[in-house]
Amino acid sequence: EAQVTQNPRYLITVTGKKLTVTCSQNMNHEYMSWYRQDPGLGLRQIYYSMNVEVTDKGDVPEGYKVSRKEKRNFPLILESPSPNQTSLYFCASRRIVQGSEAFFGQGTRLTVV
Amino acid sequence: AQKITQTQPGMFVQEKEAVTLDCTYDTSDQSYGLFWYKQPSSGEMIFLIYQGSYDEQNATEGRYSLNFQKARKSANLVISASQLGDSAMYFCAMREDILTGGGNKLTFGTGTQLKVEL
Repeated sequence: EAQVTQNPRYLITVTGKKLTVTCSQNMNHEYMSWYRQDPGLGLRQIYYSMNVEVTDKGDVPEGYKVSRKEKRNFPLILESPSPNQTSLYFCASRRIVQGSEAFFGQGTRLTVV
Repeated sequence: AQKITQTQPGMFVQEKEAVTLDCTYDTSDQSYGLFWYKQPSSGEMIFLIYQGSYDEQNATEGRYSLNFQKARKSANLVISASQLGDSAMYFCAMREDILTGGGNKLTFGTGTQLKVEL
């Protein structure tokens, strides 16, 4: 089954404790990205990657890091989480072709206390 | 800068009725794509329908259709014959530079919460 898989689905952590949210896709998509969803703000892009070893900042990159060492994986790293990073996070992937839709992971609900 | 506006925070519709969810957009690009996603209470994002800025026909996918009015910069989603399972949050989104497949992010609106009632 074609899918984008995020782990974990739910995470409660404390301020300052480094964490990684994994994202993996099995569709051989070139493009992958991370979004965060906050009430009243819709989804906002954090980082994106057009291919292996190519990453760039989105609209809200502060406090996050990413890497793209393999085509299928695009982990999101929070080096020192803070309460304002409490949010619902989505990983997405798509082909780089005309009109391609983005496929989203199931979401990761992160709470930083 | 691209922007998506969804002015209806919440909508109610009776089962079997049609409902229109509004979406207006702003972009200076000539080549762009408009997407609608559904987010049920379980949280996942489900792709519904796509309309390219150069497409002459309005997109349709089953009970979903997109009322695309380019001059007015609107891309309203029409759901026909509403079902209880249509109750969800609906997001309109846009991506620029659509023809090359490149472009970058999806810009999302703030969403419309749809509730289908018996």
